[in-house]
Amino acid sequence: QKEVEQDPGPLSVPEGAIVSLNCTYSNSAFQYFMWYRQYSRKGPELLMYTYSSGNKEDGRFTAQVDKSSKYISLFIRDSQPSDSATYLCAMSAGASGGSYIPTFGRGTSLIVHP
Amino acid sequence: SAVISQKPSRDICQRGTSLTIQCQVDSQVTMMFWYRQQPGQSLTLIATANQGSEATYESGFVIDKFPISRPNLTFSTLTVSNMSPEDSSIYLCSVVPTTNEKLFFGSGTQLSVL
Repeated sequence: QKEVEQDPGPLSVPEGAIVSLNCTYSNSAFQYFMWYRQYSRKGPELLMYTYSSGNKEDGRFTAQVDKSSKYISLFIRDSQPSDSATYLCAMSAGASGGSYIPTFGRGTSLIVHP
Repeated sequence: SAVISQKPSRDICQRGTSLTIQCQVDSQVTMMFWYRQQPGQSLTLIATANQGSEATYESGFVIDKFPISRPNLTFSTLTVSNMSPEDSSIYLCSVVPTTNEKLFFGSGTQLSVL
């Protein structure tokens, strides 16, 4: 079993839909959770950064962490064609030093069609 | 955040040759990393680039194949040596700025080996 599991998709949705992207993990030491967005031929861009369990909202994006279930989600409301990209989850045990280095999921390819 | 310039953005190389990838950051950073991203795979950490000393390599990666330099706090290079088609991948520079604890990526180098 990999430390971080993420369905690669592709996930295809119509414009305006609510998108749910998810990751599961096995390492209970993970405390910091991140979502990156990666457009084709570009580097990953940090989208959301959360600590421990709970929700965090930023515009149309909501990150949710459930540590008891070892499950994290990213919700995108009112999805737009410009949201079409690969979304990678990442997580780490610490915020500095060697424990900082995050473990990444494989990424989920999202396609939002007009 | 940090502005990360990575060069070249893409290259096509012949088997047996070497390519050096440069990573320049607009501010001093605490940590610099090199990742590889193969199609359909999660980001794989190659090594941590240490300022003024030898890089710290992850399991499966060796200095002879991927020599890394980091002469100062804002610049690093990764060389892919004696390339084979299996080295075809995206190579990404990433940094943790001194002003925060989040991981940022360069735009990547798309390498194709014929």
